[in-house]
Amino acid sequence: QVQLVESGGGVVQPGGSLRLSCAASGFMFSTSAMHWVRQAPGKGLEWVAFVRYDEGNKLYADSVRGRFTISRDSSKNTLYLQMNRLRAEDTAIYYCAKGLGLYPSGRQLGRDAFDIWGQGTMVTVSS
Amino acid sequence: EIVLTQSPGTLSLSPGERATLSCRASQSVSSASLAWYQQRPGQTPRLLIYGASSRATGIPDRFSGSGSGTDFTLTISRLEPEDFAMYYCHQYGSSPLTFGGGTKVEIK
Repeated sequence: QVQLVESGGGVVQPGGSLRLSCAASGFMFSTSAMHWVRQAPGKGLEWVAFVRYDEGNKLYADSVRGRFTISRDSSKNTLYLQMNRLRAEDTAIYYCAKGLGLYPSGRQLGRDAFDIWGQGTMVTVSS
Repeated sequence: EIVLTQSPGTLSLSPGERATLSCRASQSVSSASLAWYQQRPGQTPRLLIYGASSRATGIPDRFSGSGSGTDFTLTISRLEPEDFAMYYCHQYGSSPLTFGGGTKVEIK
C-alpha cells in the first residue's frame, strides 16, 4: 500500500548532527516532489524543506537554511534530511510528506498540498 | 511570508452539530492554494481539502471548503465522533509554505 516510513530520529546534543530517512512505497517516488514538515511537542505544523523529483530544485524554511540539507535517492525510493548544527528549537516530530502533484507549480516549485504523510520520527535536541 | 490565523482556537460542539472553522490570511492566497488537514491525537495529519474546495480522495462529503483571497472556511455539516480533532489550514500559493495555528474541535 501507499506508505512513507521515517527513521533516524533520536536524542542529540546542541550543535550535533542527525540524518533522517524516509522510505517510500506504493507510489511513483521517482516522479514525486517530496517535503519535510515538523511539529514541535504540543505545537502546530511547520514546513521545513522541499525537493523536486530530480533534485533540480530545493527549498528551505529560513529557520533551517544553511544547516539542513534535503536529498533523495530514487534508486532506493528514499528521502533524506541531513541536520547539522542542531538547536533546542529543532526538537520536534519530523514528517516526510508527498506533494499532491496536480499542477506544475507543485511538482516544480514545491507549492503544493501534502497528500501522503509518514508516521513521523522524533528528534530531541538536549544536553 | 503569509501568516494564517485560524479561529476559533477551540470549538466545543456536540455530535450531529455543524462546525464552521475559519482561516484568514495576511495577504491574498494565489490560485486558492489553500488546504485543510485533520490531525487526531497521536496520529499523523490527513489531507481533507485542497484548492480551497476540492475534497481529497476518500474524504466524506460532510467536509466542505470554501473561500478565496484572504478568507477561507472549513465546514463539517454533521459532526461524527471521529471528527473531534485538530484542524490546520495550509497555504501553498507562495513560498515559504505556511500553516495556521490550528482549531481544536472538542466534544461539548
